[in-house]
Amino acid sequence: DADVTQTPRNRITKTGKRIMLECSQTKGHDRMYWYRQDPGLGLRLIYYSFDVKDINKGEISDGYSVSRQAQAKFSLSLESAIPNQTALYFCATSDFSLAGGPDYNEQFFGPGTRLTVL
Amino acid sequence: QQPVQSPQAVILREGEDAVINCSSSKALYSVHWYRQKHGEAPVFLMILLKGGEQKGHEKISASFNEKKQQSSLYLTASQLSYSGTYFCGTSSQGSGAGSYQLTFGKGTKLSVIP
Repeated sequence: DADVTQTPRNRITKTGKRIMLECSQTKGHDRMYWYRQDPGLGLRLIYYSFDVKDINKGEISDGYSVSRQAQAKFSLSLESAIPNQTALYFCATSDFSLAGGPDYNEQFFGPGTRLTVL
Repeated sequence: QQPVQSPQAVILREGEDAVINCSSSKALYSVHWYRQKHGEAPVFLMILLKGGEQKGHEKISASFNEKKQQSSLYLTASQLSYSGTYFCGTSSQGSGAGSYQLTFGKGTKLSVIP
């Protein structure tokens, strides 16, 4: 019953390689997010998208790019992976509510992708 | 700028209570609370909005002090299942509403022992 799925779940790659992490959701949410999690640092926002035509940079977008192929799909790319991009990556989605706006809707996280860059 | 969570870690015995705090240097519009168990994704607990609105799980309570720019999560009569890392995520004031971006704290690790 996975409403937010991420592929792959684990990936080991080498410095300089281009890789793509994919996120799909069946929740029908417009809003999608990419976060990275490093031990002791919490979750940091990389990019977010409020609909297919709306892409926004987050706190740490350098070295990353995204593509919103459809309402249900949001991909994260590392054009040239480097070791300090080794982290746990989470995709999340949220709904829209007129009352309170986007800030008033909980985020639903996918299971995560553990990426190791050697 | 990340909100600051305190304490960084706490150990409780079953049945004990705990308070986790989240403070920001910016004027806050909303505070979200999530719990993450080891090896799993974060799971929603509660949202508190400037002005007093809130929603979340029945057994979880929290407060939002707009003047002090901080929120507290109250865990009462703790159970083993409460163990995990608790994160607050905040959005700040912008044009009269939120900024639509959540900035998460570094987390508070809660361990409940029998």
